[in-house]
Amino acid sequence: EDKVVQSPLSLVVHEGDTVTLNCSYEVTNFRSLLWYKQEKKAPTFLFMLTSSGIEKKSGRLSSILDKKELSSILNITATQTGDSAIYLCAVGQAGTALIFGKGTTLSVSS
Amino acid sequence: GAGVSQSPRYKVAKRGQDVALRCDPISGHVSLFWYQQALGQGPEFLTYFQNEAQLDKSGLPSDRFFAERPEGSVSTLKIQRTQKEDSAVYLCASSLASGSHNEQFFGPGTRLTVL
Repeated sequence: EDKVVQSPLSLVVHEGDTVTLNCSYEVTNFRSLLWYKQEKKAPTFLFMLTSSGIEKKSGRLSSILDKKELSSILNITATQTGDSAIYLCAVGQAGTALIFGKGTTLSVSS
Repeated sequence: GAGVSQSPRYKVAKRGQDVALRCDPISGHVSLFWYQQALGQGPEFLTYFQNEAQLDKSGLPSDRFFAERPEGSVSTLKIQRTQKEDSAVYLCASSLASGSHNEQFFGPGTRLTVL
């Protein structure tokens, strides 16, 4: 059965800390891995990764895919309270279903 | 606006009622997806449209769930004879290209509560 597992499920840090969120997958016909940030509304797109070992970066956020280990990490440096959200990892297949993990709930305290 | 919109944003239904949830995707987007997100869970795939064709409905939990996109733009998810376990946020997403592996843009969701 295809699955996407995220860890930890929840995390509490102080402002300024660096965090690493993990995503592992077992999916047939892998095509891409996507990270989304979900606050109270719609998930908003962060990154799409298709090639192993190439880091994608946007400000304080970065992500990398390891196809050999079937995993990805999302790093957030110098965390801010505005980073508090649920971070969702999803895997796109050759088919039609985007498979999501349960998410990591990040809480950043000031 | 240029994003995906959904209506209503909140819906309260009595058990047994029928509900209809609407999704307006980004103009020109070929693919449209419906997801169900229960509290504390990630979104789970329900169904996928490529233009007006429903190519995958394998995630629909029962025959009480029905979706359509008759003109390849707006889509409606209908749930007949709602049950308490249908309570969830229903998310719609659209994508410029076909298939699930491209970036999907999500709407704000409809929170359905069945009493």
